[in-house]
Amino acid sequence: GESVGLHLPTLSVQEGDNSIINCAYSNSASDYFIWYKQESGKGPQFIIDIRSNMDKRQGQRVTVLLNKTVKHLSLQIAATQPGDSAVYFCAETDWGGATNKLIFGTGTLLAVQP
Amino acid sequence: GAVVSQHPSWVICKSGTSVKIECRSLDFQATTMFWYRQFPKQSLMLMATSNEGSKATYEQGVEKDKFLINHASLTLSTLTVTSAHPEDSSFYICSAKTGFRYGYTFGSGTRLTVV
Repeated sequence: GESVGLHLPTLSVQEGDNSIINCAYSNSASDYFIWYKQESGKGPQFIIDIRSNMDKRQGQRVTVLLNKTVKHLSLQIAATQPGDSAVYFCAETDWGGATNKLIFGTGTLLAVQP
Repeated sequence: GAVVSQHPSWVICKSGTSVKIECRSLDFQATTMFWYRQFPKQSLMLMATSNEGSKATYEQGVEKDKFLINHASLTLSTLTVTSAHPEDSSFYICSAKTGFRYGYTFGSGTRLTVV
């Protein structure tokens, strides 16, 4: 299998602060990237996506930045709330490729302190 | 729209028995579904890609005879864990490629415990 992480990095922030979660992806051919939020015991929940022809995309309280040169993604969450506490994964795929496999990054545990 | 229903949400089985997990696309046709496995505090590991009407494609290191995948219709894919052992205990998640804006939709996962 692919993308097995051994430990989840943790990001601890105060409620109301901005959070930045980083992700390095591996496949230069990947052209579609998605950030997911996963709460304990549940499946991943879509947050925001970005295609490789963009370098920034904004949603409600979230922004994704893509740097293809260094194969790096980041997720910015504005005014972080306790409900944002979860594990966040970036995922990559070659959308136009033969398999469209979605491969997940290691993940980051976001802990929001009230 | 684009809902994927996965069940059971949890199952406990005895060693040596087989367990079937179902994944249904409720409001769209899913030509391709993916099965993932997730251990505690780890990422989702892709096990196999399931294509309607054809054999599944397994990732390297995944035993195809142990994890049987069937995708007989455009709305249903099943994963059967055969001759389960305690080390197969894990969280199994399915996903369907929707082709819509959200790209991929995930089921809610199945917690398998083998005793």
